[in-house]
Amino acid sequence: GAGVSQSPSNKVTEKGKDVELRCDPISGHTALYWYRQSLGQGLEFLIYFQGNSAPDKSGLPSDRFSAERTGGSVSTLTIQRTQQEDSAVYLCASSRTGLETQYFGPGTRLLVL
Amino acid sequence: AQSVTQLGSHVSVSEGALVLLRCNYSSSVPPYLFWYVQYPNQGLQLLLKYTSAATLVKGINGFEAEFKKSETSFHLTKPSAHMSDAAEYFCAVSERAAGNKLTFGGGTRVLVKP
Repeated sequence: GAGVSQSPSNKVTEKGKDVELRCDPISGHTALYWYRQSLGQGLEFLIYFQGNSAPDKSGLPSDRFSAERTGGSVSTLTIQRTQQEDSAVYLCASSRTGLETQYFGPGTRLLVL
Repeated sequence: AQSVTQLGSHVSVSEGALVLLRCNYSSSVPPYLFWYVQYPNQGLQLLLKYTSAATLVKGINGFEAEFKKSETSFHLTKPSAHMSDAAEYFCAVSERAAGNKLTFGGGTRVLVKP
């Protein structure tokens, strides 16, 4: 079946603009995760959604970052007033129950000029 | 808090030689441990995982890893490297009680020489 998909695959934006990154998890997966991969910080956890529970936002680096998950499926990561240090690959993963293997999407490569 | 240390950011091996990638972890509770591989411009693919069953775990593409609690290690090995093994490898740890969010090591890039 289909894996995790993310869009866009690449995004170039200007400093100060807002961006939205989209993640479509594997159908039926209740858990969804966002991670960021950057040269300076490596791979780091951002946020985790599990079913209808309140999300775990403990990894969000600043209040410019937010995410939502509508209908328990698609998720959108929003970065407001982008900064050059936000340039990174943003990876989404989903898991069937939150206790099982996470399957990763191909990522969105964000470049802030 | 959890942490993962991967020794060596770059490893070069000859085709047919042993691949050994080192991973040490720190966790306050019994961990789940993972190895992921990332090919250029792709997402992460699970190689194998340890979830408190057998300490020697076999994964895809001929890789295996051994969980050693006394050494807090989870090193990845493959007896004979293939050109297709050239990629970046990440060790990760998670805590079940924390939703299994992953904490990654810094990654090891493997170069395979013909």
